[in-house]
Amino acid sequence: DGGITQSPKYLFRKEGQNVTLSCEQNLNHDAMYWYRQDPGQGLRLIYYSQIVNDFQKGDIAEGYSVSREKKESFPLTVTSAQKNPTAFYLCASSLQTRGEKLFFGSGTQLSVL
Amino acid sequence: AQKVTQAQTEISVVEKEDVTLDCVYETRDTTYYLFWYKQPPSGELVFLIRRNSFDEQNEISGRYSWNFQKSTSSFNFTITASQVVDSAVYFCALKAGGTSYGKLTFGQGTILTVHP
Repeated sequence: DGGITQSPKYLFRKEGQNVTLSCEQNLNHDAMYWYRQDPGQGLRLIYYSQIVNDFQKGDIAEGYSVSREKKESFPLTVTSAQKNPTAFYLCASSLQTRGEKLFFGSGTQLSVL
Repeated sequence: AQKVTQAQTEISVVEKEDVTLDCVYETRDTTYYLFWYKQPPSGELVFLIRRNSFDEQNEISGRYSWNFQKSTSSFNFTITASQVVDSAVYFCALKAGGTSYGKLTFGQGTILTVHP
């Protein structure tokens, strides 16, 4: 079945540590996205990528980094510069047409130890 | 700038009641798309409907219906005869402008709890 796989489901970060969240899709979508969800808030865009080897900052990119070396993969690194990393992280993908819907993964809950 | 407001933070109903989730949006663009997503406890957002700015026709899909009114910038979602399985967080989202990537602006979400 086609879809988006995020791993791990739960992740814990120690002070000063970088952690990487995995996102893989087999939908053959060109565009991929990372959103952050905090309780009582909507989803906020961290980074997005429209094509391999290219990505753009979203609304809250500070403290995060991404790479897009393969069409199927869009990993997100939460760096030590992100002072409030505890949140639910959702990866999504879509076709590159106007108004196209997003397909989402099941998310990763990141917490700070 | 785009903005989506879901004024209802939480709604609680008893099974078989009808419930309407409100969504009000702001955009200066004449071409835009509106979406509703459902987020069950598993966490994954599930696509429910997409509407473009040129199509104000209301839509019904089973127990779900959507009322899109450009005059009031609203895109409300009604569940008829609610069921316990409808319990979830519901998000309204907006994509405006002519760019091709799917950057969505989300509302804060409405937590719907349906009691047996």
